[in-house]
Amino acid sequence: GESVGLHLPTLSVQEGDNSIINCAYSNSASDYFIWYKQESGKGPQFIIDIRSNMDKRQGQRVTVLLNKTVKHLSLQIAATQPGDSAVYFCAENTLTAGNKLTFGGGTRVLVKP
Amino acid sequence: DAGITQSPRHKVTETGTPVTLRCHQTENHRYMYWYRQDPGHGLRLIHYSYGVKDTDKGEVSDGYSVSRSKTEDFLLTLESATSSQTSVYFCASASGTSTDTQYFGPGTRLTVL
Repeated sequence: GESVGLHLPTLSVQEGDNSIINCAYSNSASDYFIWYKQESGKGPQFIIDIRSNMDKRQGQRVTVLLNKTVKHLSLQIAATQPGDSAVYFCAENTLTAGNKLTFGGGTRVLVKP
Repeated sequence: DAGITQSPRHKVTETGTPVTLRCHQTENHRYMYWYRQDPGHGLRLIHYSYGVKDTDKGEVSDGYSVSRSKTEDFLLTLESATSSQTSVYFCASASGTSTDTQYFGPGTRLTVL
């Protein structure tokens, strides 16, 4: 979309298949992680979050996995649908004053019919 | 989603002119944030507020100022717009605890000629 970078990593997935989006975070002190979805021309939309005392959390068709050892986060989308086409961002929160988030660069997901 | 609106949604201005962007939320959220989004940089925090009249700088605050005179409104001002401030600006708000999700507005596309 016009509001998002032109050189994002892109994941092309067939409709109905599962998608896995990866994110490496930077701060070992980060305690809270969020995945956002951004459709073209819109603001980021909350998908799912996870705290550092968990390694897995499931939502509706989505699962987030957290590996603190290697500072890696992933978002799995089951049975990907055309409406899942968007840019996905991970964000980390070190729980410092101000509830500030640091965002990753984003991954574009294209769902092929 | 939190009720967050931004105005204007689109603006074209000339270098050297002042510009004010408005963010309005109806959720009585304590925290509010201004981000800019540019290709290759993702979302970057400009300024944030942790209460009425309480604001602080983010990572890209040069050339920007903010004000928060009411809980529901957070204004971003470019005192003298430059072409490098051409971007999409997003406002977000969060309730008030350290792990609260930030909810985003629809964005304002600003073009500085």
